[in-house]
Amino acid sequence: DGGITQSPKYLFRKEGQNVTLSCEQNLNHDAMYWYRQDPGQGLRLIYYSQIVNDFQKGDIAEGYSVSREKKESFPLTVTSAQKNPTAFYLCASGAGYNEQFFGPGTRLTVL
Amino acid sequence: DAKTTQPPSMDCAEGRAANLPCNHSTISGNEYVYWYRQIHSQGPQYIIHGLKNNETNEMASLIITEDRKSSTLILPHATLRDTAVYYCIVRRTAYNQGGKLIFGQGTELSVKP
Repeated sequence: DGGITQSPKYLFRKEGQNVTLSCEQNLNHDAMYWYRQDPGQGLRLIYYSQIVNDFQKGDIAEGYSVSREKKESFPLTVTSAQKNPTAFYLCASGAGYNEQFFGPGTRLTVL
Repeated sequence: DAKTTQPPSMDCAEGRAANLPCNHSTISGNEYVYWYRQIHSQGPQYIIHGLKNNETNEMASLIITEDRKSSTLILPHATLRDTAVYYCIVRRTAYNQGGKLIFGQGTELSVKP
């Protein structure tokens, strides 16, 4: 089946630790995106990548880092510099200006 | 990107049409109107998009006013599974925008039996 997978579904980390969220797609899409969602809020863009080995900051990139070494993969690292990392993280991919396809999300909780 | 305004919540009876309005009065000529929905604790799902003509697919219809300052998403026969937050998004087509979506608060649609 074609789609986007995110792992893990739930993630717990201790304050001060870095953690990496996985996002993989087999839709052959050039563009991939990371969004963050807080309770009762809409999605906010963290980083996006239009092509391999290139990525751009979104609206709330501070405290996050990404890499795009392969077309299929766009991992997000939440660093200790992110002050309020507890949130629902969503990855998406898209081809040009067509619709974006979203993964199931990873719910990160900082203990 | 143009800002959108949607009512925070709406109710609809099961089997009836759900009409979700969106105001985008500052939309420019090269911006499309997109609709997504998000069922609780899931990733958003694309519904439909359009530029200036009305559009219909298997999920919904999109009616855009002639001046393009507002639009309405129509779910013709709402079911309980249509209960979700619906996002209206105006999206530029310029390459350097990267195709990103800017989500507002959306409309929480509750379909009731």
